[in-house]
Amino acid sequence: AQRVTQPEKLLSVFKGAPVELKCNYSYSGSPELFWYVQYSRQRLQLLLRHISRESIKGFTADLNKGETSFHLKKPFAQEEDSAMYYCALRHYNTDKLIFGTGTRLQVFP
Amino acid sequence: EAGVTQFPSHSVIEKGQTVTLRCDPISGHDNLYWYRRVMGKEIKFLLHFVKESKQDESGMPNNRFLAERTGGTYSTLKVQPAELEDSGVYFCASSQVRALGEAFFGQGTRLTVV
Repeated sequence: AQRVTQPEKLLSVFKGAPVELKCNYSYSGSPELFWYVQYSRQRLQLLLRHISRESIKGFTADLNKGETSFHLKKPFAQEEDSAMYYCALRHYNTDKLIFGTGTRLQVFP
Repeated sequence: EAGVTQFPSHSVIEKGQTVTLRCDPISGHDNLYWYRRVMGKEIKFLLHFVKESKQDESGMPNNRFLAERTGGTYSTLKVQPAELEDSGVYFCASSQVRALGEAFFGQGTRLTVV
């Protein structure tokens, strides 16, 4: 069964500390992985996708098929990074996104 | 460019009543999706429209939920009769290109059934 697991409900760090939000997936085939972010009082928005292999707002994520992981990383967290982060996967033949339960990132000054 | 718009932003209804949620996708987006997040759980797919046709409704929980997209523009999601477990945040998203396109989300409708 397709599944996305985000083991941490809450991750708290101080400004300037490295951040890693974990995401593991279960899927037989070639999934497309995404990170979505929801800032306070804003809508859910795409942060990055694995096929783009780009860095957005200093965040990167590498797809590791051997470990079935797609962890989100940032070397130096900023206060404005505080938000809810959702990992999601989509199979190429369908359009629906399968989300994890989300991780709330709190960055303290 | 206007984003995906959902109405209402909040709705509180009594068990057994009917509620209709509306979603206006980004103009020109043929693909429209409904998702739901129940308290403490993941955001779950409900269904997918391509224009006015239901492409995938595998996530609809039961026959109390009815989604329509007449004319291929805005969509409505009706819950009748509402039950306590229907409480949650209902998200709508739209995209222009299937499979490869980014899905843009609305701000969500928070439904509370009491």
